[in-house]
Amino acid sequence: SAVISQKPSRDICQRGTSLTIQCQVDSQVTMMFWYRQQPGQSLTLIATANQGSEATYESGFVIDKFPISRPNLTFSTLTVSNMSPEDSSIYLCSGGTGRQETQYFGPGTRLLVL
Amino acid sequence: SQKIEQNSEALNIQEGKTATLTCNYTNYSPAYLQWYRQDPGRGPVFLLLIRENEKEKRKERLKVTFDTTLKQSLFHITASQPADSATYLCALDMGRRALTFGSGTRLQVQP
Repeated sequence: SAVISQKPSRDICQRGTSLTIQCQVDSQVTMMFWYRQQPGQSLTLIATANQGSEATYESGFVIDKFPISRPNLTFSTLTVSNMSPEDSSIYLCSGGTGRQETQYFGPGTRLLVL
Repeated sequence: SQKIEQNSEALNIQEGKTATLTCNYTNYSPAYLQWYRQDPGRGPVFLLLIRENEKEKRKERLKVTFDTTLKQSLFHITASQPADSATYLCALDMGRRALTFGSGTRLQVQP
């Protein structure tokens, strides 16, 4: 198994600003993912974070809005850029050892944009 | 289009009873199906994985069945306890890069 931590746990931000969320895994994982979860809703995959190369984004998510880095096998960041109130959500990082195998989740970052 | 359906209504049961949650999917044949538990303000926690060639899997008080003909998985918690109260998510590969999650079913176990 893997233990995943995220920073910050929550933040309140002003419209138009950017926030970078950090995700740290305590062991090497092959795959790292970023999800968004609206209150009472399921998880929506934003992108797969690829080590040393550009992230792979899902339909509806673009790099300019959600730039992602993954400099090594245990660390990734997600930036929410030029925020609007519609970006208010919980952002979750996860890691796994295979494409469809078990995923381990961080506690999430609760973001409120005013 | 591919879809995962879980009962959006909360399931309320009495302590000691068996809780049964349903996950239905359409338009795909996954190799795996997984169940996760999510508590408020926390990330999902993996519970069980069942493969397409397995009919049933058990772990302590948990049991999962996988019917690939019906395209359905059932998740059972026997001898339920108030501490089992949470949202339970099913997840499967839909031919995409990562798991696709259902919307979850909230379980409330009354003491």
